[in-house]
Amino acid sequence: AQSVTQPDIHITVSEGASLELRCNYSYGATPYLFWYVQSPGQGLQLLLKYFSGDTLVQGIKGFEAEFKRSQSSFNLRKPSVHWSDAAEYFCAVGERSGGYNKLIFGAGTRLAVHP
Amino acid sequence: GAVVSQHPSWVICKSGTSVKIECRSLDFQATTMFWYRQFPKQSLMLMATSNEGSKATYEQGVEKDKFLINHASLTLSTLTVTSAHPEDSSFYICSATDSNQPQHFGDGTRLSIL
Repeated sequence: AQSVTQPDIHITVSEGASLELRCNYSYGATPYLFWYVQSPGQGLQLLLKYFSGDTLVQGIKGFEAEFKRSQSSFNLRKPSVHWSDAAEYFCAVGERSGGYNKLIFGAGTRLAVHP
Repeated sequence: GAVVSQHPSWVICKSGTSVKIECRSLDFQATTMFWYRQFPKQSLMLMATSNEGSKATYEQGVEKDKFLINHASLTLSTLTVTSAHPEDSSFYICSATDSNQPQHFGDGTRLSIL
């Protein structure tokens, strides 16, 4: 069965430091991969997605992610974190079914940013 | 970008009442809408998938008669929690897609049953 693992439940970084959030997936075919961010009490906002092509994907808010098939990973990175980046981050794999993508989410990583 | 509006954002009601939550796609036609439930500090659990004009497909363990889903138009889906009880208290989030786009999410509805 398809699954997504986010090994880090909680990460704390200092403002201005670099960030990498890990995501590993299990999927039989070529995956559609997504990163979403959720602020407290809010819905999810799409940061970036990978469908095919260039394995380094640029997203909004200065985030990027790299798809590595050999490692079944899709880690999210940002070179310099801002205090406003504190939120919950979800990695998801899209399971193509009936003409649409059903999302399978990881457990999420909560990011705290120290001033 | 695509906008999905969810209403209400917060509802408190007495045990035994039914609550309806609306999910609207404001600037695109959503052929498919999804309903998720999220417990505190946990991930999203897919409850059901609805395609416009057809019956919703429920995930295993989700009671169809408890969580009624209607997707009567390409811009509106509703989730009705029938005879709600305290254990139904949760954060409910909808998302929408036209199959070519990634899912776009509403801001969620916090449901509290007293």
